[in-house]
Parts: sequence; structure tokens; C-alpha cells
Amino acid sequence: AQSVTQLDSHVSVSEGTPVLLRCNYSSSYSPSLFWYVQHPNKGLQLLLKYTSAATLVKGINGFEAEFKKSETSFHLTKPSAHMSDAAEYFCVVRADRGSTLGRLYFGRGTQLTVWP
Amino acid sequence: DAGVTQSPTHLIKTRGQQVTLRCSPKSGHDTVSWYQQALGQGPQFIFQYYEEEERQRGNFPDRFSGHQFPNYSSELNVNALLLGDSALYLCASSLHRGNEQFFGPGTRLTVL
Repeated sequence: AQSVTQLDSHVSVSEGTPVLLRCNYSSSYSPSLFWYVQHPNKGLQLLLKYTSAATLVKGINGFEAEFKKSETSFHLTKPSAHMSDAAEYFCVVRADRGSTLGRLYFGRGTQLTVWP
Repeated sequence: DAGVTQSPTHLIKTRGQQVTLRCSPKSGHDTVSWYQQALGQGPQFIFQYYEEEERQRGNFPDRFSGHQFPNYSSELNVNALLLGDSALYLCASSLHRGNEQFFGPGTRLTVL
């Protein structure tokens, strides 16, 4: 079975400071992992994805994430926060095998607040 | 490319009523998945349609049903609405066995 745990429900940073959103995953095999962002009253936008290629994945808007198998982690980072980064972020694991092939499993989300 | 579109954007119903939500997938996509996102939660998988058949189903009661049309668009139907069905309903499209799902803006359903 697949699952993800987002370790922080809320993260607050000042504009221009680094962002770290933490995610641990559980999977019986090497999974596909994603980070999505959801702005208020908007749908989900894909930030980046890991699909067993390079372990350091670069996404849109300066975000990146590192897949660490030994730690079962896929933390999202950004060197310098911008006010427009304030949103809800979801870590997601995709079932790549079996009867649930293609199904996405979402974490509970991390609300990022950026202070001026 | 219009991306994934959903209608309506907002809907208010009362308990016991029935509702139909609609989704048009991204051009070229043949698979549609539906998710329910309750307030303060991550989206939960409801079911997935491919070739006009339900291929997978999450842990949702039979009150939730769907349909996929030959043009790949899809409907989500919910019967006998409960207060707990109030949520944002998201549609996602993809290629069958494709790796990435594209989400629509969602339909906000409020059950009074």
C-alpha cells in the first residue's frame, strides 16, 4: 500500500528566506512521487515529479525536491520564498503497480504562509 | 488547449437531493479520475474511468456513481446527498497508464 505523511500542517517563513516542506512516503516499491500546489479557490498544479530518474528534481517557480530512499523522504525546498508562494502544498505518491495502478494518494497538505 | 474543465463551479443542494458534476479532459487524454477534497484535507480518490468503464474505485459508497462518454468527458453523480458530501470535487485527466494527472479547478458542492 502507498501513503504519504506531511510532517507539518503549517509552515510560516519570511519573504526571501528558505522554504522546507517535509514529506515521508511509504511504498512497497520505488514509487513515483509528486508535489502539487493549490492556491485559494484554484485547482491543483503540478510543481514537480520524481519517476526513478535523477534523485534531485527541479520544478517550476524555483522549487526542487530530493528523493532519499534510505530516509523514505521527498522534501520540497526553495532557496528564497516569494509572497506568491503562499498556498497549500500536497505531497503525492502514485501507485505504479497492481490493482490500484495510476491512483494518487495525497498527504493532508501543508499550508505555507509567507510574511513580508 | 483549454486544459481540464469542470462545471458547475459552485453548487448548493439540500440533504437527500441528487447532483451531477461534469468534467471535460485535457485534449488527447482518455482517462478521467475523480477526487473528493473535504475542507482541510487532501483529495481522496473516488473512481477512475477509461474506455467508458469504471476501472478502479476508492472507498466510497454506491451513492457515488459515474459515467464516461465516447468523447472521454465524464460525469460524477451523487444520490441521497448527506451533509458530509460537502466538499470540493476535483476531476483529473491523463493518458491511460500515463504518469501525470492534470487537474481541473473543481466544483464546490455545499449540502445544506
